[in-house]
Amino acid sequence: ETGVTQTPRHLVMGMTNKKSLKCEQHLGHNAMYWYKQSAKKPLELMFVYNFKEQTENNSVPSRFSPECPNSSHLFLHLHTLQPEDSALYLCASSHGSGRGQETQYFGPGTRLLVL
Amino acid sequence: DQQVKQNSPSLSVQEGRISILNCDYTNSMFDYFLWYKKYPAEGPTFLISISSIKDKNEDGRFTVFLNKSAKHLSLHIVPSQPGDSAVYFCAASTSGTYKYIFGTGTRLKVLA
Repeated sequence: ETGVTQTPRHLVMGMTNKKSLKCEQHLGHNAMYWYKQSAKKPLELMFVYNFKEQTENNSVPSRFSPECPNSSHLFLHLHTLQPEDSALYLCASSHGSGRGQETQYFGPGTRLLVL
Repeated sequence: DQQVKQNSPSLSVQEGRISILNCDYTNSMFDYFLWYKKYPAEGPTFLISISSIKDKNEDGRFTVFLNKSAKHLSLHIVPSQPGDSAVYFCAASTSGTYKYIFGTGTRLKVLA
């Protein structure tokens, strides 16, 4: 397996469910990201982790809870979501040097539908 | 307040001709710019980048131009191929941060 993988690729959940999205990168990177892409909107950064430490939380509601157990894995735990949270959730990784000007590499995304 | 704008939601070009995709930004602190391509049901794929110290970067059929005074960048694809049909996103970032700001994308259709 190479690059950035995400599971599941599709998820349908009710507002009272709890589910988790998983991301794994095989690129030896140290920084990982969660993005949300809603219809007709730009990609919105949600969280950034660098060397397993959260360095950015872009005012994301607490019903989204990230977890980064190591530099290769990133989770997004979901609970009591709202229908407006339905979107494509993308994971990305980058080298994580801290100097900026890094290229981020994206996974295929999880298409989430909240009923 | 959208700091990165792609004002053309779609563009159609004949195969073999040049495709020009445009992107404008408002934040003068941005110093690194990227273009991504996205096919349906896939994540964005990195295409080409440019640092603010340059005004042009070329990679095969793809060239990105940066005009800092106008806060404008463009992606040229020459010659365009049907396989280039996708949504193209520009993104901008500032050194020392991990934060990319993306545009809303331009859907390119290359007609055979």
